[in-house]
Amino acid sequence: DARVTQTPRHKVTEMGQEVTMRCQPILGHNTVFWYRQTMMQGLELLAYFRNRAPLDDSGMPKDRFSAEMPDATLATLKIQPSEPRDSAVYFCASGQGTPNYEQYFGPGTRLTVT
Amino acid sequence: GQQVMQIPQYQHVQEGEDFTTYCNSSTTLSNIQWYKQRPGGHPVFLIQLVKSGEVKKQKRLTFQFGEAKKNSSLHITATQTTDVGTYFCAGPGSGGSNYKLTFGKGTLLTVNP
Repeated sequence: DARVTQTPRHKVTEMGQEVTMRCQPILGHNTVFWYRQTMMQGLELLAYFRNRAPLDDSGMPKDRFSAEMPDATLATLKIQPSEPRDSAVYFCASGQGTPNYEQYFGPGTRLTVT
Repeated sequence: GQQVMQIPQYQHVQEGEDFTTYCNSSTTLSNIQWYKQRPGGHPVFLIQLVKSGEVKKQKRLTFQFGEAKKNSSLHITATQTTDVGTYFCAGPGSGGSNYKLTFGKGTLLTVNP
């Protein structure tokens, strides 16, 4: 059945390095979300796109994070430079973009920055 | 901005006991959604409630939406070890932000066999 896929599933990197996370939304879904989950903050919305256009990235630290959708089958989240406080699980989710719709989450990328 | 609060933060029960988690929004919601996240997993959609006072059931799970559409609850009857996980409620943003969801912090349920 259709699933959101994310790569990599795990990433360990050193502070200062660039990190790129990728997401393939479910085919036909036109809304894509990036979330960050930590024990302290819970599930935070970083950014989301509708029809590949960024609608809201107010949850994202602008100086180091960037999110893009180069095409309808790929969303990317980049951190440059990474910091230890970025350690978290990053989830991508997609939906059909109609009001009152549910979101389908990918398996997440567990990022550890040392 | 919109806030969604959930209580309790944690709940530990003996297998067979009932469990309830509550969700409260600072604003009236057009709908409320519930998700479950198993340990080490990702949130999975459970159900959506739309109408004021709506009650929906999924086997041992009962979901309610308040009359004022600002609160909701999830009740599990006779918990099983397979119910372990974090249960989140989520409400859509208002106006032009209704494509995004605001998630509560979740209630972590652990079940002692």
